[in-house]
Amino acid sequence: NAGVTQTPKFRVLKTGQSMTLLCAQDMNHEYMYWYRQDPGMGLRLIHYSVGEGTTAKGEVPDGYNVSRLKKQNFLLGLESAAPSQTSVYFCASRSDRGSSYEQYFGPGTRLTVT
Amino acid sequence: AQSVAQPEDQVNVAEGNPLTVKCTYSVSGNPYLFWYVQYPNRGLQFLLKYITGDNLVKGSYGFEAEFNKSQTSFHLKKPSALVSDSALYFCAVRDPDDYKLSFGAGTTVTVRA
Repeated sequence: NAGVTQTPKFRVLKTGQSMTLLCAQDMNHEYMYWYRQDPGMGLRLIHYSVGEGTTAKGEVPDGYNVSRLKKQNFLLGLESAAPSQTSVYFCASRSDRGSSYEQYFGPGTRLTVT
Repeated sequence: AQSVAQPEDQVNVAEGNPLTVKCTYSVSGNPYLFWYVQYPNRGLQFLLKYITGDNLVKGSYGFEAEFNKSQTSFHLKKPSALVSDSALYFCAVRDPDDYKLSFGAGTTVTVRA
């Protein structure tokens, strides 16, 4: 049981390049989330999904797109990277059953845009 | 709208002394409250939660937190801090009718030997 995994772990992009971050979870969770973490700002929600085939905008969605074609995967795309997107990105998942209200986090992807 | 405030950027304590990390929240309904810890270059790990019931909640690694509805606070405590408790701590809140968590800015805890 690997929990939540993220690929890649590190990436350097040039301004204008595109990339996709992959999040996978093996806990059969319905809900999945993408956050970015910047110093002094905590975690800010980018997009989230409440089930396969559904996505919704979070607090800071501009410049990002997401897809949830399979229940276990949640992809975050940057179509045209900007230096302001330099950050650490975390994926999380949560069950919709019982008393398990907490989110489980992946190890993060450190992205630098030059 | 829901929000969380962690009024201290940093907390420094000596090993063996009590540790307190403060958190206040704002939410329209009854809150779901959480504490997470992040060690360097790692993801967030769940410590404890308050959903309902007893105001004193016990969690992992000897941590506990007290829910105070009148003061809208959920402070994290540990009676005797360890050097290994040095990390970044996040408080988070969720309205029961919402899917999303709102996080505080985080508090860096340093425990000196």
